[in-house]
Amino acid sequence: ETGVTQTPRHLVMGMTNKKSLKCEQHLGHNAMYWYKQSAKKPLELMFVYNFKEQTENNSVPSRFSPECPNSSHLFLHLHTLQPEDSALYLCASSQLGRQGKGAFFGQGTRLTVV
Amino acid sequence: GESVGLHLPTLSVQEGDNSIINCAYSNSASDYFIWYKQESGKGPQFIIDIRSNMDKRQGQRVTVLLNKTVKHLSLQIAATQPGDSAVYFCAENPDKLIFGTGTRLQVFP
Repeated sequence: ETGVTQTPRHLVMGMTNKKSLKCEQHLGHNAMYWYKQSAKKPLELMFVYNFKEQTENNSVPSRFSPECPNSSHLFLHLHTLQPEDSALYLCASSQLGRQGKGAFFGQGTRLTVV
Repeated sequence: GESVGLHLPTLSVQEGDNSIINCAYSNSASDYFIWYKQESGKGPQFIIDIRSNMDKRQGQRVTVLLNKTVKHLSLQIAATQPGDSAVYFCAENPDKLIFGTGTRLQVFP
């Protein structure tokens, strides 16, 4: 248990569906991240939120829409996805501005787009 | 741009042997590095970190070596066990982690 909880763990959705991934961190961190992990590819940083403000969007298609209502919660809203979006989506949190242990990751949501 | 890469995609070792996993980085301004372990079906887990003012740091059965001259990082695992089987990633900068492809460590009896 790393203090970062993601739900659901598995999700199968059609290309016309709308779904959301949820992430919650219990570590008191002030930054949260979404990463995408595809087979045989490096972890890809998607979005960064610092004190609830989005500070980075790594050229992610608009069919992925993040939301960070507070520093403990992060959502990734999905709509009209493509089969190539199937991947493991990982949420992470960290404490910015001080030397620490880097980012802590959740267990991920395994997404399959059919 | 920034990049972190791993030299080998798969490393197979016999149980009890030592393992060495290597990583190259390109951002000479990086001052903090982390090794993560990712087991199947799980998110990456922190193993050990090192700051650029050090060239070696030891943990329990793991040692990280940093060579800033050639921008190279390595993770040494002593007496490798079956539970060490996983994908290992190095990352630089704690607030904007850039990961390499990862090295899969396979431990056989």
